[in-house]
Amino acid sequence: DTEVTQTPKHLVMGMTNKKSLKCEQHMGHRAMYWYKQKAKKPPELMFVYSYEKLSINESVPSRFSPECPNSSLLNLHLHALQPEDSALYLCASSQVGGRIGNTIYFGEGSWLTVV
Amino acid sequence: SQQGEEDPQALSIQEGENATMNCSYKTSINNLQWYRQNSGRGLVHLILIRSNEREKHSGRLRVTLDTSKKSSSLLITASRAADTASYFCAYTGGTSYGKLTFGQGTILTVHP
Repeated sequence: DTEVTQTPKHLVMGMTNKKSLKCEQHMGHRAMYWYKQKAKKPPELMFVYSYEKLSINESVPSRFSPECPNSSLLNLHLHALQPEDSALYLCASSQVGGRIGNTIYFGEGSWLTVV
Repeated sequence: SQQGEEDPQALSIQEGENATMNCSYKTSINNLQWYRQNSGRGLVHLILIRSNEREKHSGRLRVTLDTSKKSSSLLITASRAADTASYFCAYTGGTSYGKLTFGQGTILTVHP
């Protein structure tokens, strides 16, 4: 079962709110990712976790705070966002290791609107 | 920019016709993956081709990879209206096996 589940599907938040996006996978993957996608653009990497440790942070502003509580869960905590942060946030997961790399599976995404 | 490029940006065809999309990249790669994205939805993985492979098939999909030209193509044969979507190539390179770099995408419209 190749499934990555994201909640909520839609989120509207004010610039002073604190909210979280959640992601779960049960494929035994030990790498998990957050990507951001603006309308009519390709996804852009934000964070990579490998074995529950942050391995890549693509210079993302600190108002985005990732967390990986265990090997199946990945959260993205949001605080003091700006309207330009409105986008589709995609979670993904894959196996770790292998020089040639592994298939990366994506969830359906969470649509975020900042008002 | 290290982002890949895809062409055409948009492709409009009739059902039953074949659709070919091309992807070019600038770095050495470990593998290249193709994804489909329906409007407003997540990415669906279609096929992965490794850097030591030249061609792969999956159902109506055929992917080729030419590492000497740093390019890949996705062919969808006998297209259907349900194939209407955006298609992205994405690749990993060097030691950053977890970092996918995406092409700009091709918007495919298949008319019934």
